Amino acid sequence: DAMVIQNPRYQVTQFGKPVTLSCSQTLNHNVMYWYQQKSSQAPKLLFHYYDKDFNNEADTPDNFQSRRPNTSFCFLDIRSPGLGDAAMYLCATSRGGRLRNYGYTFGSGTRLTVV
Amino acid sequence: DAKTTQPTSMDCAEGRAANLPCNHSTISGNEYVYWYRQIHSQGPQYIIHGLKNNETNEMASLIITEDRKSSTLILPHATLRDTAVYYCIVSGGSNYKLTFGKGTLLTVNP
Repeated sequence: DAMVIQNPRYQVTQFGKPVTLSCSQTLNHNVMYWYQQKSSQAPKLLFHYYDKDFNNEADTPDNFQSRRPNTSFCFLDIRSPGLGDAAMYLCATSRGGRLRNYGYTFGSGTRLTVV
Repeated sequence: DAKTTQPTSMDCAEGRAANLPCNHSTISGNEYVYWYRQIHSQGPQYIIHGLKNNETNEMASLIITEDRKSSTLILPHATLRDTAVYYCIVSGGSNYKLTFGKGTLLTVNP
């Protein structure tokens, strides 16, 4: 089945130690998104790639970066994780378009713990 | 900016229909109404979406009022596995991003 795959499912990292989360998709969707979801809160969009174009949300901290080497893969890099960055990180994809929105497909998420 | 308003929580008896309301009074003409749900510790799951006509699929029905200012998601025969947070999201036109509000926690009781 075509899907969005996030690895790892759980990630533990040390305070201040760079960490990378990965997302891959077999849907050939041109838009890929990263959301952060803290406990008991709604998912919050960090940034997205529309094809190769990176789009950052205004309130996303500089500590968060992303890379998209090809259509299928997208990475979330946290340069210096703090305790407040502990959260579920969700990757999603969609077929972007100006006039129609086809909806998103989400991965299962990576739960990040910072120790 | 919250574009949708949903009740914080609802209960439903197993086997009965669950009707989840959503207000979106500022929706514009080219925006769609999307419903997603999120079961605990999983990624959000697409349920259904619509523009102005009522929609039905294997999971649910979506009823949109004629003025498009509100909608109702209907799960016709709720099961315990339908316990989740349900998000109503308005998006479309030049905005292809999904912005999540607080959603409704639906609890299906035996």
